[in-house]
Amino acid sequence: DGGITQSPKYLFRKEGQNVTLSCEQNLNHDAMYWYRQDPGQGLRLIYYSQIVNDFQKGDIAEGYSVSREKKESFPLTVTSAQKNPTAFYLCASSEQGSNQPQHFGDGTRLSIL
Amino acid sequence: DAKTTQPPSMDCAEGRAANLPCNHSTISGNEYVYWYRQIHSQGPQYIIHGLKNNETNEMASLIITEDRKSSTLTLPHATLRDTAVYYCIVRVAGNFNKFYFGSGTKLNVKP
Repeated sequence: DGGITQSPKYLFRKEGQNVTLSCEQNLNHDAMYWYRQDPGQGLRLIYYSQIVNDFQKGDIAEGYSVSREKKESFPLTVTSAQKNPTAFYLCASSEQGSNQPQHFGDGTRLSIL
Repeated sequence: DAKTTQPPSMDCAEGRAANLPCNHSTISGNEYVYWYRQIHSQGPQYIIHGLKNNETNEMASLIITEDRKSSTLTLPHATLRDTAVYYCIVRVAGNFNKFYFGSGTKLNVKP
C-alpha cells in the first residue's frame, strides 16, 4: 500500500534531550513537510523540502532540525532548544506541481516527561 | 496569501447532506481551494480541490462561486463516521506548496 508512515506513534522526551521523529513515504513524492498541531488549533509549518538535499524553514522552525538525504525520508529532530515541544507532529508529502494536494501520515504525539 | 474563514462548528443529521461553507474573499486567480478533514488523533485526510469549476469525487462535491470568494463542500449523505474537523485551505501561489490550515469547522453528525 502506498502511503506515509510516521513513527513512533507516541514519544516521550526528557528535559535536555533531542528526539528524532521518523517520516517515510513510498509515494515517490518529491516534496515533504513537517507540521506541528497544538490542541484545538490548526497546523503550523515547521520545515519543508522540495527535493533531496534541500529544505526550507517554515513558520516555526526554531528548535527543530531536519535532513533530506533520501527522497523517501524526511526525519525531524526536536532539539533541547525547543522549550515547548509537547504537540502532535504531522508529516506530509506531495508531488511537485502548482496544484498537487498534500497527503498526511497519522502523526506522532510527543510529550515531555 | 489568501486566508479562509469557516464557522467553528456545524451539526448535521445522519443521512442528510452536510454543506460546509468557506469564505476566501482575498483569493487570487491562480490559487486553488482545498478541503481536508481530520478525525481526532489522526492525520488530515485530503478530500477534494478545485480552481474555479465545480468538482465531484467519491467523497464529496465542491462548489466554488463564480467570483471565487467562497466555496461550499457538500457531503451528500453524512454518516457518523463523517464527524470530524473540516479544513478549507487556499494554497499560496509560488514555487512551493504551502498550505495554511486554520481552525476549521467541527462537523457533528448526529443519529
